Amino acid sequence: GIQVEQSPPDLILQEGANSTLRCNFSDSVNNLQWFHQNPWGQLINLFYIPSGTKQNGRLSATTVATERYSLLYISSSQTTDSGVYFCAVKAAGNKLTFGGGTRVLVKP
Amino acid sequence: NAGVTQTPKFQVLKTGQSMTLQCAQDMNHEYMSWYRQDPGMGLRLIHYSVGAGITDQGEVPNGYNVSRSTTEDFPLRLLSAAPSQTSVYFCASSYSRVAEKLFFGSGTQLSVL
Repeated sequence: GIQVEQSPPDLILQEGANSTLRCNFSDSVNNLQWFHQNPWGQLINLFYIPSGTKQNGRLSATTVATERYSLLYISSSQTTDSGVYFCAVKAAGNKLTFGGGTRVLVKP
Repeated sequence: NAGVTQTPKFQVLKTGQSMTLQCAQDMNHEYMSWYRQDPGMGLRLIHYSVGAGITDQGEVPNGYNVSRSTTEDFPLRLLSAAPSQTSVYFCASSYSRVAEKLFFGSGTQLSVL
């Protein structure tokens, strides 16, 4: 099956800093999504982005499908950005495969 | 509009007991799925459904059964709980099976003793 690798595995930021999270995948995809799992365990869909660039407030994402990677940018980080960020992809078929996640801690 | 609703939030079982995790969505979504989340393992797909009456296996289906009698409901059954099924379970849905955003329920934390 498709492999999804996220980097870095852990990230510690000072409040106000910017950061970039990466998601590499091993095959062509028709669906790519970014999720944030907050410290209470809730999973929130951030972006549906199989290709191109999208922005939502301080967050933006870019997927370069031909090179099989996606990037999530966090600008002016806040403590509420803490949690785990997951990338998930779907190739042919019905199964969305998740990466291992990047754990982010934003310190005040 | 409640989104995806999971019950219960917490459950403790003894080995060999059975139970059903409930999942309901009110968004008229075709696609529904169950994931389990274990430390260091990310989220793994257990079973999924692309519509009423249609279900299929994911990555880790052993020990779990599902059915989809209505568009709204997608229960997950553990027939004989084992300690290896201790995990956090998430139900998720999307409008279609192919190219749509996935929305998650709030999760069920299950411990099997």
